Amino acid sequence: EIVLTQSPGTLSLSPGERATLSCRASQSVSSSYLAWYQQKPGQAPRLLIYGASSRATGIPDRFSGSGSGTDFTLTISRLEPEDFAVYYCQQYGSSKTFGQGTKVEIK
Amino acid sequence: EVQLVESGGGLVQPGGSLRLSCAASGFTFSSYEMNWVRQAPGKGLEWVSYISSSGSTIYYADSVKGRFTISRDNAKNSLYLQMNSLRAEDTAVYYCARDSYCSGGSCYPIYGMDVWGQGTTVTVSS
Repeated sequence: EIVLTQSPGTLSLSPGERATLSCRASQSVSSSYLAWYQQKPGQAPRLLIYGASSRATGIPDRFSGSGSGTDFTLTISRLEPEDFAVYYCQQYGSSKTFGQGTKVEIK
Repeated sequence: EVQLVESGGGLVQPGGSLRLSCAASGFTFSSYEMNWVRQAPGKGLEWVSYISSSGSTIYYADSVKGRFTISRDNAKNSLYLQMNSLRAEDTAVYYCARDSYCSGGSCYPIYGMDVWGQGTTVTVSS
């Protein structure tokens, strides 16, 4: 089973700053099979990025995804107040495993 | 409006059973693959189970294999999760989530779950 490891566990940043979140896979993942989600307290997750770099419907262009093989990145170019949340990566291999999450908190 | 609404959660004793339901509306349910995903209190997301649009293909996470059964009734626009032999570690919020679109025998995956319900809470405790 492919294991996804996200880093850092917590990212403390100020509004307007750039956020860079990492997701590393224990074995190679097809770029098409990598997704990113945002989750706010008490809410269901929301799909942000699919296919490693394609934004889901309605997602602002300050969110971007990149990477291939075992290393993937979610970048938020300029943090808005509503972007402080937990972010998860997910792979669509033999099982649809998630990473453990990165919390983006206000510094 | 595209919507998924889960129900059926509650408090159950260890070893007990529970059946979760997910009612879909606003889209052609029979054309979509579906999943159950859970989240234990204060923890991350864990994928639980997948079912194809026709119900012919099913997958489970190792942690629930042999205890949980996913099914769907396309005529009723509903997804189900039958949970047996429940354990304390099954305590979680359970979400249903929409997956790939399928039509004419082919599926067009985006490899992401684009619609989620609000979740239903399952608590396993004596």
